[in-house]
Amino acid sequence: AQTVTQSQPEMSVQEAETVTLSCTYDTSESDYYLFWYKQPPSRQMILVIRQEAYKQQNATENRFSVNFQKAAKSFSLKISDSQLGDAAMYFCAYRGINTGNTPLVFGKGTRLSVIA
Amino acid sequence: ETGVTQSPTHLIKTRGQQVTLRCSSQSGHNTVSWYQQALGQGPQFIFQYYREEENGRGNFPPRFSGLQFPNYSSELNVNALELDDSALYLCASSRRGQGRETQYFGPGTRLLVL
Repeated sequence: AQTVTQSQPEMSVQEAETVTLSCTYDTSESDYYLFWYKQPPSRQMILVIRQEAYKQQNATENRFSVNFQKAAKSFSLKISDSQLGDAAMYFCAYRGINTGNTPLVFGKGTRLSVIA
Repeated sequence: ETGVTQSPTHLIKTRGQQVTLRCSSQSGHNTVSWYQQALGQGPQFIFQYYREEENGRGNFPPRFSGLQFPNYSSELNVNALELDDSALYLCASSRRGQGRETQYFGPGTRLLVL
């Protein structure tokens, strides 16, 4: 079974600085998706960024980018120019690609605080 | 806003009762997945519905059941509630067949079992 590990329960960053959240996963599949979701106190799980495993290029969405290391099974999220609104729980998630009913497998999350 | 809605937002029940949670999927989506998120944990997959049939299930007992309707909305039913069922219940909708199949989440229903 696939597992996702987030080793940092809590992180903090100064406003306008850069922070990196770590994620590792375990799978025997060769094709899959990886995601970072953000969950603010309002509880809505919001998609931040997505990476297809077959793509070597790291995904980027505005201030958010990933460092995807397939051989190391590592998928970290970098947030640049941090803003107060970035404060939230961040979840790394894995999803197999081969069948339509493959669920998301989540890590336990990292709570990010942004200091003004 | 993802276009996925859930009701109610909060619910308090007592042990042994039954509860029904509802989810309306995003327009154009045909698949609904349900997740349970205990306090301080990541979401855990309960089951998924596609074309009105259960299409995958996580490690949850049969007292967790669901439905999907022709308009792709869905219900999660939990019978014989236990204290450990207290959690945030999230539904996520997606469009199977488009290849990308990203799941978009609703705001969740917070269930408290006393």
